[in-house]
Order: sequence, then C-alpha cells, then structure tokens
Amino acid sequence: AQSVTQPDIHITVSEGASLELRCNYSYGATPYLFWYVQSPGQGLQLLLKYFSGDTLVQGIKGFEAEFKRSQSSFNLRKPSVHWSDAAEYFCAVDPNAGNNRKLIWGLGTSLAVNP
Amino acid sequence: DAGVTQSPTHLIKTRGQQVTLRCSPKSGHDTVSWYQQALGQGPQFIFQYYEEEERQRGNFPDRFSGHQFPNYSSELNVNALLLGDSALYLCASSLLGELGQPQHFGDGTRLSIL
Repeated sequence: AQSVTQPDIHITVSEGASLELRCNYSYGATPYLFWYVQSPGQGLQLLLKYFSGDTLVQGIKGFEAEFKRSQSSFNLRKPSVHWSDAAEYFCAVDPNAGNNRKLIWGLGTSLAVNP
Repeated sequence: DAGVTQSPTHLIKTRGQQVTLRCSPKSGHDTVSWYQQALGQGPQFIFQYYEEEERQRGNFPDRFSGHQFPNYSSELNVNALLLGDSALYLCASSLLGELGQPQHFGDGTRLSIL
C-alpha cells in the first residue's frame, strides 16, 4: 500500500543551526512529492515540490529537499533555522502520477526552535 | 488574488447534530478537495469535486457528503455527528489538467463536538 513515513515526530533545534526533516515513501511509480508547513491554527502552505528532473529542489523560506530514488526518500533541509520556522511539517505524495487527486500524507514532524 | 477561503473558522456542535462547512476555491481553480485533520495527525482525504461531481472518495462513511456549485465553491456536510468527528477540516483547491500542480489550502474550519 502507498504510504508516507516521517520518522521524527518532534525535533528541537537551536536558532541558526541546520535542519533536516526525513520523509520516506512507499510507492511504485514515479512519485510526485510535496512538503507543506502548517503553523498553529493555520492551513497548509506549500514549501516545495518534486516531479522530475534535478533531484535537488529549492523552495520558499530558504528550504530545499533532495529526492533519492534508491532510498525512497525526500528529505527537507535548511542551512540555518530561524525562530519563525517553528511549525508542523508534512510530507505528502500524489499517488496518481500528478493527476491531482488525493494526497497521501505523513503524520508530520513538529519543529521547535530554541533561541 | 484571493486564496482558498473557508467558513466558519470555528464551530461547536453536539452529538447527533448536522453541520455544513463552506469553501471558496482560489481564483482560477476548478477542483475542490476536502481533508479531515485530527489533532496530532496528518490530513486524511475525504473526497474531491470537479464539475459538480464527486471525482474520488476516501475511506469516510456516507455521513460525510458534499456538493460543488457552478461557481466551483463547495460544501461539506456531516450528519449524525460523533465525538470522533472533532477535527480541523481543510479545503484545498487546484486546477484539473495541470499535471502535478499543488493543491492550495485554506486555513480550515475547527469543528468541536460536545
């Protein structure tokens, strides 16, 4: 069955430190992958997406993600975290080859940032 | 350019009641999806509407129904509310035919069942 796993439920980093949030997917065909961020009481905002081509994709707010087919991973990274990055981060897969039907989501990783 | 808007923001109901949530898609979008997000969980797909028809449905009971209007806005109806229906309900819009285009989300409706 198609699934998305975010192994880290909660991560705490210091402001200015680097960040990596992990995402693994189980899906047979070419995946369409997304990272969304959700601040408290808010909806979901798209950070970046991957469909094909260059496996390192750049997103908003200084985030990037790298697709590794051999590891079935799509990890999110940021070189230097800001206090405003504290939020819930979700990895999602479109299992319909980008045909824009339902998205399958991970459980999310809650990020806390220490001053 | 208005994004996805949802109403109401918060809602409190009691068990057995019925509720209607509303969503206006982002300008230019024609497809609306609804998700349920329980506390501490990722979103779960309820259903998607396109051209006023239900295009795909997730694993939710028939108590959950929806509608899409000619202006592409949508409603989510839940009958016979249960305590377990307490959640954040998210609406997302997109443009069908735009392969791989991301869904844009509203801020959600927080539904609490007493």
